[in-house]
Amino acid sequence: NAGVTQTPKFQVLKTGQSMTLQCAQDMNHEYMSWYRQDPGMGLRLIHYSVGAGITDQGEVPNGYNVSRSTTEDFPLRLLSAAPSQTSVYFCASSASLHEQYFGPGTRLTVT
Amino acid sequence: DQQVKQNSPSLSVQEGRISILNCDYTNSMFDYFLWYKKYPAEGPTFLISISSIKDKNEDGRFTVFLNKSAKHLSLHIVPSQPGDSAVYFCAASEMGGGSNYKLTFGKGTLLTVNP
Repeated sequence: NAGVTQTPKFQVLKTGQSMTLQCAQDMNHEYMSWYRQDPGMGLRLIHYSVGAGITDQGEVPNGYNVSRSTTEDFPLRLLSAAPSQTSVYFCASSASLHEQYFGPGTRLTVT
Repeated sequence: DQQVKQNSPSLSVQEGRISILNCDYTNSMFDYFLWYKKYPAEGPTFLISISSIKDKNEDGRFTVFLNKSAKHLSLHIVPSQPGDSAVYFCAASEMGGGSNYKLTFGKGTLLTVNP
């Protein structure tokens, strides 16, 4: 099992550009989520999904879109990147609340 | 309003001694608590958890204690090893509140174990 994979590992965007951060898991987990980690801020929940076709907002959803068409994939879209979205992004999946498995992260810089 | 607080940004201990990492929470609806460990350039990994019906949970060198009345939990690592050097995040959730897939994280504590 590859677990949770994220691509790309690094990305630099200009303000206003769009991009999609990819996340995939091969553990057949129903629950997937996206977090961002900023210095001194811990991890903050952006969006989550409890199954294919079902998504909901987390703590900091503004500027981000998600969809969940399959159990395996949960992409995060930035429609118009802003410098405030410079962060490290983590995707996670779980079969239950208790043990969320995190991917290695995507480091995004918006200039 | 920060619902999960880790007031010590960093902690340094000697190898072989006990490491105690602390976490406080303000939301009385939280009933499940977890600790995650994170190395640089990696995603967090689950370490240990505790339900509010317990006051202690042990797994090898790691023990988590929960004091519900004080809304406080702590992670004890005994004995500490250099490989334990990492950032430790405390997280909490409301299992019974319909939001039981949402975790609220603290800001983390950087533990350094010196040889």
